Amino acid sequence: AQSVSQHNHHVILSEAASLELGCNYSYGGTVNLFWYVQYPGQHLQLLLKYFSGDPLVKGIKGFEAEFIKSKFSFNLRKPSVQWSDTAEYFCAVSGGSGNTGKLIFGQGTTLQVKP
Amino acid sequence: GAGVSQSPSNKVTEKGKDVELRCDPISGHTALYWYRQSLGQGLEFLIYFQGNSAPDKSGLPSDRFSAERTGGSVSTLTIQRTQQEDSAVYLCASSQGLAGFTDTQYFGPGTRLTVL
Repeated sequence: AQSVSQHNHHVILSEAASLELGCNYSYGGTVNLFWYVQYPGQHLQLLLKYFSGDPLVKGIKGFEAEFIKSKFSFNLRKPSVQWSDTAEYFCAVSGGSGNTGKLIFGQGTTLQVKP
Repeated sequence: GAGVSQSPSNKVTEKGKDVELRCDPISGHTALYWYRQSLGQGLEFLIYFQGNSAPDKSGLPSDRFSAERTGGSVSTLTIQRTQQEDSAVYLCASSQGLAGFTDTQYFGPGTRLTVL
């Protein structure tokens, strides 16, 4: 079965620090990869996604992620975080045979940015 | 409406009672998904609808859980004889249902279910 692993459960950074959140998935076939964010008190919303083409994808609010097929990874990065980036971040994957688009989520990473 | 809506926002029930949770997807979205978010299990897929059909029910945890969708729009998730382990936030998402499922799923605010 597909699984998604996020290595960092809780990250604390100061404003302007660089961010990298790790995400690895278990499935070796064709996959679609997503990063979702949940700001305090708000809905889950999409940050960025990859399904084909350039493995470096850019999303909203200055976030980017790189798909490395050989490493089964899709790490999220931001060069300089802001206090407003405080949120929970979820990596997710869909795909495989009989793909129905259902998302398999990682456990999430809580990011706390100190002003 | 502009986004996915869910009702109620909060539901407190007693063990053994039945509950119904409602989802109104974005107009025109053919694909609808139910997930649940709990402390111990994270975010888990429950069921997928394409139109009114449910080709993937693989995430439903037991036969106490069922869901339907009518008119290709509103969906209802029903939990019978609720148990304390059913306590979670139940999330609904909808998408256009594009081939290859590369489209974005838009999530609702969720229903927080507490079973006493």
